[in-house]
Amino acid sequence: SSALTQDPAVSVALGQTVSITCQGDLLRTYYASWYQQKPGQAPVIVFYGQTYRPSGIPVRFSGSTSGNTASLTITGAQAEDEADYYCNSRDTSGNRWVFGGGTKLTVL
Amino acid sequence: QVQLVESGGGVVQPGRSLRLSCAASGFTFIKYDMHWVRQAPGKGLEWVAVISQDGRKTYYADSVKGRFAISRDDSKDTVYLQVNSLRAEDTAVYHCAKEGADISAPYHWGLGTLVTVSS
Repeated sequence: SSALTQDPAVSVALGQTVSITCQGDLLRTYYASWYQQKPGQAPVIVFYGQTYRPSGIPVRFSGSTSGNTASLTITGAQAEDEADYYCNSRDTSGNRWVFGGGTKLTVL
Repeated sequence: QVQLVESGGGVVQPGRSLRLSCAASGFTFIKYDMHWVRQAPGKGLEWVAVISQDGRKTYYADSVKGRFAISRDDSKDTVYLQVNSLRAEDTAVYHCAKEGADISAPYHWGLGTLVTVSS
């Protein structure tokens, strides 16, 4: 089992808001990073740290953390947001990294 | 812009070795830690290894420790992953990734190179 737990699949109606969550005790110490991966493509980082959205990522992507749970929220989901999403953080050693199992987002 | 191009994958028998390469461009290579992350077919991402910007520190996932070795050649702006004693479960696309300017996590990624372990 992974140290970071994600729901395997989530769906959202076009234009609605969805949150993808990542749970693990690591998140009490380290912030999560979030990656979007579309079929056949490399992952793209979409949010990290407490407040950081990389250049070029739409403002509808935001992140937050509460206790042992990190969330990636898409406000007004678009068809192009349909993808797999992964969270990531340092592990207990602080020197290695771990990914969540991933969440497949379907936009209906 | 940042470019990371992996090579060296292929079909290999169990127990054999490969050396994967990742050629970097578009940034000052010596300033950044570099990661390898793999993805088995139809599965999720698995972090594999990281090497510090000065090459002195390396860390590995438990699943590959003792079998894989990450290294870098700053004269060639290239990071390597020597993969030894390959097993069927090592079959995956291997991505290299550069840390971010303000975060140590994988930030920019290459498309990856496929390693298939099969007899």
